[in-house]
Amino acid sequence: DGGITQSPKYLFRKEGQNVTLSCEQNLNHDAMYWYRQDPGQGLRLIYYSQIVNDFQKGDIAEGYSVSREKKESFPLTVTSAQKNPTAFYLCASSGFPDRPLGGYTFGSGTRLTVV
Amino acid sequence: GENVEQHPSTLSVQEGDSAVIKCTYSDSASNYFPWYKQELGKRPQLIIDIRSNVGEKKDQRIAVTLNKTAKHFSLHITETQPEDSAVYFCAARGSSGDKLTFGTGTRLAVRP
Repeated sequence: DGGITQSPKYLFRKEGQNVTLSCEQNLNHDAMYWYRQDPGQGLRLIYYSQIVNDFQKGDIAEGYSVSREKKESFPLTVTSAQKNPTAFYLCASSGFPDRPLGGYTFGSGTRLTVV
Repeated sequence: GENVEQHPSTLSVQEGDSAVIKCTYSDSASNYFPWYKQELGKRPQLIIDIRSNVGEKKDQRIAVTLNKTAKHFSLHITETQPEDSAVYFCAARGSSGDKLTFGTGTRLAVRP
């Protein structure tokens, strides 16, 4: 699946519930990213990680948390503090800093809906 | 941080005509500008990219131009086909690390 796998494809969250989106890559990329996509707003950066055990907030980190315990994995938790979580979530990876810098490889996305 | 603006938000062209999408960026130190195509419900796919030391790059019917002085770059699609219909995103990598800032997207419709 292009070397980066997101699961599940569809996820439903009840009010007050935390949910975790999975992102795994086998591209040996150092950097991984989470973006949120809403209609008409493009892709907005939630969190990113350039190396294991380190991550930084993006532009819309409130209500989200991440971990980077392994190079291959970068799970995103949508907490109950995120009041409008319904969106399409995209995970991506890139070869910084070991390889020539280039574009991202994206996962296939997770569509999260609040019920 | 980096800010990327993209125009137009929607674009409709007749099959065979050309399409042009324009983006501006704010960080003069930005050095990498990719373009992504996203079909409905699918992941964005890199279609072409350009680095700051190059003014133009072509790949068959697709070309990208970069004007560093004016801080804008454009995607040109010639001889458009119905399968070119999708949402196109521009992006820029600023001076801090490898993260990309994306434009808000252009929905291109190619009329048969």
